[in-house]
Amino acid sequence: KAGVTQTPRYLIKTRGQQVTLSCSPISGHRSVSWYQQTPGQGLQFLFEYFSETQRNKGNFPGRFSGRQFSNSRSEMNVSTLELGDSALYLCASRGGPGTDTQYFGPGTRLTVL
Amino acid sequence: GENVEQHPSTLSVQEGDSAVIKCTYSDSASNYFPWYKQELGKRPQLIIDIRSNVGEKKDQRIAVTLNKTAKHFSLHITETQPEDSAVYFCAASENTGNQFYFGTGTSLTVIP
Repeated sequence: KAGVTQTPRYLIKTRGQQVTLSCSPISGHRSVSWYQQTPGQGLQFLFEYFSETQRNKGNFPGRFSGRQFSNSRSEMNVSTLELGDSALYLCASRGGPGTDTQYFGPGTRLTVL
Repeated sequence: GENVEQHPSTLSVQEGDSAVIKCTYSDSASNYFPWYKQELGKRPQLIIDIRSNVGEKKDQRIAVTLNKTAKHFSLHITETQPEDSAVYFCAASENTGNQFYFGTGTSLTVIP
């Protein structure tokens, strides 16, 4: 099976702009989670989608939003970008509730200038 | 919610020595504990995991132990090699829930 893919791999934006990141899970996986990774902060959970529904949300401001499509692909949107949003954004997929193993994508490196 | 703490944040060992990374968790409902290895510039990769009905699991040079009473679990790497150098993350989740809680990572350096 093909692994989790993310596009784009790199993005450079300026403050105030918005950005949309995409994640395609492993075929058959219905759960997609998003994480923000910054040096010293580890992996901070953003949200998880399962069957097009957001099931959990981390402690991030409303500027961070997401959605999931019927084919399980997911997008994450960040509006009104701030310098502090510069990070590696990782998505991870798994088969669904009760299926524990999470597989990560390569990430999207976002730089906000 | 769950809180996962991981120590140490950095660890240097000589090649051939053992490395131990420890994590504690707060929520007794957590019952699945994976460990991920992230090499520089790469995605986190699952290296081993353990469920709460098991006290120890081993896979070649890697082992994980779990103490449910004390709410801590540890990663043990024996006979370390330079290619073990990476950042290691522990995590905890509740089987029926959907959220993973990660530790802040341990940067392991194996000195040849």
